[in-house]
Amino acid sequence: DTAVSQTPKYLVTQMGNDKSIKCEQNLGHDTMYWYKQDSKKFLKIMFSYNNKELIINETVPNRFSPKSPDKAHLNLHINSLELGDSAVYFCASSQDPSLGREFFGPGTRLTVL
Amino acid sequence: GENVEQHPSTLSVQEGDSAVIKCTYSDSASNYFPWYKQELGKGPQLIIDIRSNVGEKKDQRIAVTLNKTAKHFSLHITETQPEDSAVYFCAARPPFGNEKLTFGTGTRLTIIP
Repeated sequence: DTAVSQTPKYLVTQMGNDKSIKCEQNLGHDTMYWYKQDSKKFLKIMFSYNNKELIINETVPNRFSPKSPDKAHLNLHINSLELGDSAVYFCASSQDPSLGREFFGPGTRLTVL
Repeated sequence: GENVEQHPSTLSVQEGDSAVIKCTYSDSASNYFPWYKQELGKGPQLIIDIRSNVGEKKDQRIAVTLNKTAKHFSLHITETQPEDSAVYFCAARPPFGNEKLTFGTGTRLTIIP
């Protein structure tokens, strides 16, 4: 009965590789988000999709590309991984961006060697 | 854009005592203020939120107060217990269409048994 789930939980990879993180929510929400949490625990939004449409696109390198096949899924693909991409990535969802209540997944810890 | 400052960055309190975490925001239009609790290795969990049309909200041992004039809001935890130990984040969001949540830098709360 997990509300927001992400896979994998841990991802260790070499610099230069391409990797994907998957996110699914079973809450029936229309909006999904990707956040990055750095080593100092700072949480920053990267992207937001509403009904499969990109609505927030922060200043993120274009090596990061979100894909929303349907409103229950939002995947994050990262090309040419760099050391600085190491972080914890969280997926979140909300019923409506104007209502504000966001629910987070368990996170994916990405380590780039 | 919105800027949220959070204090203190670390807080240790004796079990049974109260803990208070304070945040200030910069955008006077912000009208939604959630608080999240993040336990080690987990995603942020929404614990309480308040909208700008109320000054205080309480849920059992936790309460949030909002001072719109001063642009600050606080989280109060009473009768603290060891399981309250976690990192707490405040956030703020303006009401317009696709605005994002801006998070504070987090407070690591440690409850001393």
